[in-house]
Amino acid sequence: GESVGLHLPTLSVQEGDNSIINCAYSNSASDYFIWYKQESGKGPQFIIDIRSNMDKRQGQRVTVLLNKTVKHLSLQIAATQPGDSAVYFCAETPRGTGNQFYFGTGTSLTVIP
Amino acid sequence: GAGVSQSPRYKVAKRGQDVALRCDPISGHVSLFWYQQALGQGPEFLTYFQNEAQLDKSGLPSDRFFAERPEGSVSTLKIQRTQQEDSAVYLCASSDPPRKGHYEQYFGPGTRLTVT
Repeated sequence: GESVGLHLPTLSVQEGDNSIINCAYSNSASDYFIWYKQESGKGPQFIIDIRSNMDKRQGQRVTVLLNKTVKHLSLQIAATQPGDSAVYFCAETPRGTGNQFYFGTGTSLTVIP
Repeated sequence: GAGVSQSPRYKVAKRGQDVALRCDPISGHVSLFWYQQALGQGPEFLTYFQNEAQLDKSGLPSDRFFAERPEGSVSTLKIQRTQQEDSAVYLCASSDPPRKGHYEQYFGPGTRLTVT
């Protein structure tokens, strides 16, 4: 299968600080990436996506950066809030069909009030 | 509106028993996906339906796993002769056809299966 991995399994940040969650992928043919948030006892929730023809995309308080040269993806969360505490996954669709998503292991983000 | 629902939320089975997990997707969603999520891991793709057609079942780990969506809406994932390694959370997701290249899957809360 595809290899999508995360650099840090856990991350703790102070409320109000910015968070950066990193993800490495191995398939250079991957052309579509999604970040998901998963709270305890719930299914993953879509946060933001990016296509390989872009290197940056912004949403509400979140920014995704894509570096295709080193096959690296990051999620930046501005002004992190306690409600942001969750596990974050990056996922890729190698063929861009939307039929299969390969998920990384996940990073657990804890926001300290 | 209603999201994706799954039932039961928790299931305990003795090794060797058969189980059936149900998924009710968002009404009108064409695509339906099943994933398996082991503790502390990311979801792993099992199978994909477009309407009633099972277009991809490459992620099903063995022939003990079977999924169906006979009328293109509700789907059932069946596991026969359960083994301890089948213990995991089984997630269902549904989606509309992609819009402008964006694929957004809506996940249900999952069914936590424990095989004893």
